[in-house]
Parts: sequence; C-alpha cells; structure tokens
Amino acid sequence: SQQGEEDPQALSIQEGENATMNCSYKTSINNLQWYRQNSGRGLVHLILIRSNEREKHSGRLRVTLDTSKKSSSLLITASRAADTASYFCATDGGGYQKVTFGTGTKLQVIP
Amino acid sequence: EAQVTQNPRYLITVTGKKLTVTCSQNMNHEYMSWYRQDPGLGLRQIYYSMNVEVTDKGDVPEGYKVSRKEKRNFPLILESPSPNQTSLYFCASSLRGDQPQHFGDGTRLSIL
Repeated sequence: SQQGEEDPQALSIQEGENATMNCSYKTSINNLQWYRQNSGRGLVHLILIRSNEREKHSGRLRVTLDTSKKSSSLLITASRAADTASYFCATDGGGYQKVTFGTGTKLQVIP
Repeated sequence: EAQVTQNPRYLITVTGKKLTVTCSQNMNHEYMSWYRQDPGLGLRQIYYSMNVEVTDKGDVPEGYKVSRKEKRNFPLILESPSPNQTSLYFCASSLRGDQPQHFGDGTRLSIL
C-alpha cells in the first residue's frame, strides 16, 4: 500500500487558536489535495497544491508542500467550532490515475 | 446542482447475497472512483475509471467488481459479500484523477 500518513491522529484546540496537521506520502506526486469530512459524511475538497508549488493560501487555510521530504502541512488559522471535522490529504501518485488518501487527522475545536 | 448520488445509503445483508451499489454523477466528469473507509485506515481506493469502458484496480480491489458503460454511472458490485466488506463506501468523480473530487454521501454496508 502507498497510503500516506497524517499526524497527529487527533487534535483538540480552543476556538481562536491555530491548528496544524501534517501529511507524509511515499511516492512522487503530481498534485496534493486536502479534504474535510464531517462525521461520516462525504468528503469536501478544500485546497489543491501542485508539485511545483511550495505554499498556497485559501481564506484561513495555508498549505505547504515539501517534495524533498514528501510532506505537506495544513494550517487553519483562527479556528472556529465549525472547523471540527476530520481532515485528509490525498495524492495522485503522478499518474493522473490512482489516488491515495492519508489516514486523517480528527480536529476538535472547543468553543 | 452538481452532485454525486449513491444508492442505497444504508444496507444490511447476509454473506453471499450479491449486491450492487449505484453511483451517478451529473457533472460530465471523466474520472470516477470507489473508496471504502474503515476506522483508523482512512479512505482506500477500490477501483477507478478514467473514462467509459476504462477501469483499473485501486489498492483494495479483491471481492469487488465495477463497470463503466456510461459516463455518468459507475456501479460497485459485490458478487459474494463477506463480513470483512462491512464498511462505509464512497463514490467520487472529478475531471481527472489529479483534480478535486466530488464525493457522494456514502453507503453504509453491513454484511452479516
């Protein structure tokens, strides 16, 4: 299996704090994506970063990518209770075909 | 409204009784995929399809079949379900495999 790993597995923070979660993967990639999942629902796409990009922003989200270390991080700034969810990274393995998801980070934001 | 529709949403069945989970998308996407989600294991890809009549195995294809006869539909078939296939299943679609995927709401299968 080429499944990626994320850490931490679970994260609990106070509202207003920043949340950082990390993703490591094993093979070369074309793009890396981050998704959010609310309690057993379908995943929702958050942000995509290409392999030739190092950082990308979208609202309160900041994603970094280090292809030399095969790792990415997702930073959520000024967290809100509504950010409580599981977050997954996904890589496409460079072949535009098979997609591999990480094991996910469960984030709890306490009001 | 752009959506991926899976049916059924919930199913309890018995070992060996063939079942099909349907998936349909209305976005004219080329790429469709099935995943299973199990606690602690994240999402694992079962099968994917890059276009009509083109399918390939993901990481956990054993015990599953798929077909892509039309662009909008990608059914998942369990010919002889077993208890280890009890899981939460998601269908997803995208323009290409490396592009953002739209997910269905999931199908929770329990095989006794």
